[in-house]
Amino acid sequence: QKEVEQDPGPLSVPEGAIVSLNCTYSNSAFQYFMWYRQYSRKGPELLMYTYSSGNKEDGRFTAQVDKSSKYISLFIRDSQPSDSATYLCAMMGSGGTSYGKLTFGQGTILTVHP
Amino acid sequence: KAGVTQTPRYLIKTRGQQVTLSCSPISGHRSVSWYQQTPGQGLQFLFEYFSETQRNKGNFPGRFSGRQFSNSRSEMNVSTLELGDSALYLCASNREGNTGELFFGEGSRLTVL
Repeated sequence: QKEVEQDPGPLSVPEGAIVSLNCTYSNSAFQYFMWYRQYSRKGPELLMYTYSSGNKEDGRFTAQVDKSSKYISLFIRDSQPSDSATYLCAMMGSGGTSYGKLTFGQGTILTVHP
Repeated sequence: KAGVTQTPRYLIKTRGQQVTLSCSPISGHRSVSWYQQTPGQGLQFLFEYFSETQRNKGNFPGRFSGRQFSNSRSEMNVSTLELGDSALYLCASNREGNTGELFFGEGSRLTVL
């Protein structure tokens, strides 16, 4: 079983829809939780960053972390065609053997059609 | 502020050859990490360097190595290339390397024939 599980989709939604992306994990040592967006033939771009549990909002994007359930989510409101990309959840522990080491989900391919 | 720069962007090698990839981090970032991305395995951590020292290493064979220079620029090397080494190699930088806030370059796409 992988440390981080993410439904690869693909997910196709109409413009304006609310998108919900999720990941579950098994390693309770994870402290940092990220969402990255990756366009085709580009490197991942940091979208949301959360330390420990809680919610974080940035424009149309909301990230939620529930450490008790080992579950993280990303919500995209009023989705746009430009949101079409692969969304990767990523997690990291703290200190020591965690330096620079993110554990990624497989990524969810999202298509927002006009 | 310039982002993470990786060179070359694309390269083709044959089995048995070796390859060196280069990464220039964001100015002020002292931590550089390397990742391999393949369709089957996704993004996998290779290693992390900070102040010219390797602090962390992923589960890859010894054919994969790296180094970091005093100006924080980093290189990774893969020797005795195998077909399975075909992948997108991504470099990421972070100020101290102790948070998950990594900034990635666009990657070097390696094809091994």
